[in-house]
Amino acid sequence: DIQMTQSPSTLSASVGDRVTITCRASQSINSWLAWYQQKPGKAPKLLIYKASSLQSGVPSRFSGSGSGTEFTLTISSLQPDDFATYFCQQYNSYSYTFGQGTKLEIK
Amino acid sequence: QVQMVESGGGVVQPGRSLRLSCAASGFTFRTYAVHWVRQTPGKGLEWVAVISADGTIKYYAGSVKGRFTISRDDSKNTLYLQMNSLRADDTAVYFCVRDPNSGYGDYWGQGTLVTVSS
Repeated sequence: DIQMTQSPSTLSASVGDRVTITCRASQSINSWLAWYQQKPGKAPKLLIYKASSLQSGVPSRFSGSGSGTEFTLTISSLQPDDFATYFCQQYNSYSYTFGQGTKLEIK
Repeated sequence: QVQMVESGGGVVQPGRSLRLSCAASGFTFRTYAVHWVRQTPGKGLEWVAVISADGTIKYYAGSVKGRFTISRDDSKNTLYLQMNSLRADDTAVYFCVRDPNSGYGDYWGQGTLVTVSS
């Protein structure tokens, strides 16, 4: 299976900050990568698909980039609603795999 | 609006069976692939199984292959997961996830908790 490694595991930041989360794949997944946001007790919400395509309804402060084995999720200016856990997921091949998550905390 | 509502979770003894259901509404269910994904505090998110829109293609994670069966009934807009020979490490919240035939999940249900314990 393809392994997905996210960094950092925890990130402390303030409202208005620009933050970047990284996801690395153990082998090339082309651009077959999605990013999700999850809040406690809630289902994950799709933010980005195909590495850089913004899901409908998601604020433009979220952006994704990368291809091959290295990908990033950037939030350009953190808002209070953005403090949550973020996961990446590869869908290049079965079985699909997720990163372990990055918890974004208020500094 | 799109809704996916899981049911059927609960506490079950090791070795027993359980069937999860996911009722979909607000979209044309038969035109979408659908997944089951589970989540535990320790192992995070783990993909379990997927079924294609027409029901002919099914894939499973290695950890559940041979024990779990995914199926769908488009006449009822419902997805199922039959889970047999349950083990303690199957304990998790199980989500059903809509897939626009691309591999990622654009809508997730709220999940149903399965606890395998004696």
